[in-house]
Amino acid sequence: DQQVKQNSPSLSVQEGRISILNCDYTNSMFDYFLWYKKYPAEGPTFLISISSIKDKNEDGRFTVFLNKSAKHLSLHIVPSQPGDSAVYFCAAPTTDSWGKLQFGAGTQVVVTP
Amino acid sequence: GAGVSQSPSNKVTEKGKDVELRCDPISGHTALYWYRQSLGQGLEFLIYFQGNSAPDKSGLPSDRFSAERTGGSVSTLTIQRTQQEDSAVYLCASSSQQGRTEAFFGQGTRLTVV
Repeated sequence: DQQVKQNSPSLSVQEGRISILNCDYTNSMFDYFLWYKKYPAEGPTFLISISSIKDKNEDGRFTVFLNKSAKHLSLHIVPSQPGDSAVYFCAAPTTDSWGKLQFGAGTQVVVTP
Repeated sequence: GAGVSQSPSNKVTEKGKDVELRCDPISGHTALYWYRQSLGQGLEFLIYFQGNSAPDKSGLPSDRFSAERTGGSVSTLTIQRTQQEDSAVYLCASSSQQGRTEAFFGQGTRLTVV
């Protein structure tokens, strides 16, 4: 039962432009959402999170927006840099533990010079 | 160590053989998690250890899968009688406490069953 969905398997963007990654969820009980970034042959690394009581959280070039009524969140990267080329996973904790997560399938971002 | 360490990095095994995958969490981290990532898929939760509590095994796909954590530190994931569908990257993560603290992942073990 896939409760977190990332419907875009890949995204190509020019350096300096905005990257927008989308994520949808089905479980209205989720109260936190996390984004992880993964480079090849490495484990995922935590990027940014958002609580369901907020609709926006910003950290440097990364901003996550949450639309609870639509059960949709998005990650914006502005400006995109070549080092941002990676797979991005949206995830939601299924309990109070942030380690037990439901992950989306991921979106491969390629930032071109 | 500085991060979560997993061994081996790669493992090729014949169908039907047993395999053991090892995870050394970050020192002092009380929570440890195992995930697997099959080709083109997201990460799938397998099992979760928290301190001395009974592990949460709700994600284990079959009774061929088991895991233990000795001394509250190192963990071993064992897959018995491996099948081709077990081929995946197995990822271990640890966190400093239960609750709203992000987990840190190791680099994974790529398992290929031939």
